[in-house]
Amino acid sequence: TQLLEQSPQFLSIQEGENLTVYCNSSSVFSSLQWYRQEPGEGPVLLVTVVTGGEVKKLKRLTFQFGDARKDSSLHITAAQPGDTGLYLCAGTSGAGSYQLTFGKGTKLSVIP
Amino acid sequence: DADVTQTPRNRITKTGKRIMLECSQTKGHDRMYWYRQDPGLGLRLIYYSFDVKDINKGEISDGYSVSRQAQAKFSLSLESAIPNQTALYFCATSDSLVETQYFGPGTRLLVL
Repeated sequence: TQLLEQSPQFLSIQEGENLTVYCNSSSVFSSLQWYRQEPGEGPVLLVTVVTGGEVKKLKRLTFQFGDARKDSSLHITAAQPGDTGLYLCAGTSGAGSYQLTFGKGTKLSVIP
Repeated sequence: DADVTQTPRNRITKTGKRIMLECSQTKGHDRMYWYRQDPGLGLRLIYYSFDVKDINKGEISDGYSVSRQAQAKFSLSLESAIPNQTALYFCATSDSLVETQYFGPGTRLLVL
């Protein structure tokens, strides 16, 4: 069974601060996705990374896929209250299965 | 209008009752999924279907059954609900060519 460990589990920061959350595994994934979930809603895809070492930017969010495709990080610059939510990473093992293995998530609170 | 809808959004039921959660999508995707989300446990896959004639068990299928009535409809049944099935349930869809999953808004189920 492939597992994805996310850290930290909870994070509370002041508006304007920077932060990084991590998603780690002992298994190799063919791709890794990051979702954000707000209360009362389903997860919404932020980004998909597929190549080892890949870096993608989405405004103030920077996503990185590890060289060995076993880990990923999400860095937020100058966090805003609108960034508050549950951040989930999910990996696929490929081979056409398209089944996602989810981490347990990082719950981020950005205080104004 | 939402691409993935779930009904009901909230449900309270008693132990032993049979209930059905429904999911409809207008995205034209062939793949559909049912997950449950519990605090501290993340999202876990219950069942998935790659087309109308294809049903597969996920990580935690015991106590659940599904029906794929049409490409656009995928329902989840609890034949005899028990309290530890209290959770947030999500339906998701994906295209066979792309790994991104699109989630519905969720059904909050409480089994007394």
